[in-house]
Amino acid sequence: AQSVTQLDSQVPVFEEAPVELRCNYSSSVSVYLFWYVQYPNQGLQLLLKYLSGSTLVKGINGFEAEFNKSQTSFHLRKPSVHISDTAEYFCAVTSTGGFKTIFGAGTRLFVKA
Amino acid sequence: NAGVTQTPKFRVLKTGQSMTLLCAQDMNHEYMYWYRQDPGMGLRLIHYSVGEGTTAKGEVPDGYNVSRLKKQNFLLGLESAAPSQTSVYFCASNKGGDQPQHFGDGTRLSIL
Repeated sequence: AQSVTQLDSQVPVFEEAPVELRCNYSSSVSVYLFWYVQYPNQGLQLLLKYLSGSTLVKGINGFEAEFNKSQTSFHLRKPSVHISDTAEYFCAVTSTGGFKTIFGAGTRLFVKA
Repeated sequence: NAGVTQTPKFRVLKTGQSMTLLCAQDMNHEYMYWYRQDPGMGLRLIHYSVGEGTTAKGEVPDGYNVSRLKKQNFLLGLESAAPSQTSVYFCASNKGGDQPQHFGDGTRLSIL
């Protein structure tokens, strides 16, 4: 069985400050890792994904994430946030060879002026 | 390019009423999913389909039924709505495996 834990339910940050949203996962098999973003009254959109290869993955809107196999983590980072980054962010895992995705509970990022 | 379209966007039901939520995708995806999203619980899988004519139970299937008669459509039914089914419902689709899921904008359902 797999599980995903997003360590912070809410993250307030000032505009232009850096941010890190933390995600840990548990799985007995290899996984694919994803971060999705959800803006108000919309569905989830893919930010970035890790399938294999380089552990540092770059996504849209200046976000990046680093896969750490030993710590089973996939933290999301952005060096300088904008007001428009205010949204909910979901970490997700899919087992390699499978197709069902397990989502974390989400982290609400609130960017203040 | 519409992607994944969900109808309706909002609905209010009384306890015991029935309804069907429709999901349509135009990306020729084999896999389709229905999730419910509740505060602090992320997305929980209700039912899914790996191809036309197939359906299977997810994590929280009780009280729901689904059908996939056409590849592009995936219907979610509530036979006898209960207040515990008040939620936001999302449909998603993908090609499976390492491919990300594409989501609709959701249906906000309230059961009184």
